[in-house]
Amino acid sequence: EPEVTQTPSHQVTQMGQEVILRCVPISNHLYFYWYRQILGQKVEFLVSFYNNEISEKSEIFDDQFSVERPDGSNFTLKIRSTKLEDSAMYFCASRQGSDGYTFGSGTRLTVV
Amino acid sequence: RKEVEQDPGPFNVPEGATVAFNCTYSNSASQSFFWYRQDCRKEPKLLMSVYSSGNEDGRFTAQLNRASQYISLLIRDSKLSDSATYLCVVNRANNNDMRFGAGTRLTVKP
Repeated sequence: EPEVTQTPSHQVTQMGQEVILRCVPISNHLYFYWYRQILGQKVEFLVSFYNNEISEKSEIFDDQFSVERPDGSNFTLKIRSTKLEDSAMYFCASRQGSDGYTFGSGTRLTVV
Repeated sequence: RKEVEQDPGPFNVPEGATVAFNCTYSNSASQSFFWYRQDCRKEPKLLMSVYSSGNEDGRFTAQLNRASQYISLLIRDSKLSDSATYLCVVNRANNNDMRFGAGTRLTVKP
């Protein structure tokens, strides 16, 4: 079964450092997403991406965040200067049409 | 009013019990509805889509009530392996981005 792949599975970084979270969506999917989940809390929308541009972003997705699809397969989330409150599980998801999303297994980001 | 609202539970039920979860959504123009399951520290996984006519997949039945803006999930003959958090997911009108409820935690006990 096709899957969404995320790397790394766990990243520890110092406050103020830049991190890049990587995702390889399912190859024939057209819509890509980043969500985050702070431990014990709900899954929160960050950003959606379609046709090589951001289609929507949430209030969480401020100037510290950016996304990129540098080639035909990767989809990255960059956090420029991490804060302690950025510690969370970050999920990448993709979908083709009106079907539900397929999520990657997530990257656990710990900011110390 | 929250976009998607669920009873957080927890629901603690014995094996074999029937349990039902409800979810309400605020945007009457929403068109796509899903139930996801999330195990502890894992990614959400699609359990089933919810169709207007209601749909069933084995022990799981999902229903949609557009007039009242709620969806439901019924689990019959609960198994220990059903223990998880169940997430109600609704698309936002005019786009296809999804919003998640906070989840309902279910524990099935022997």
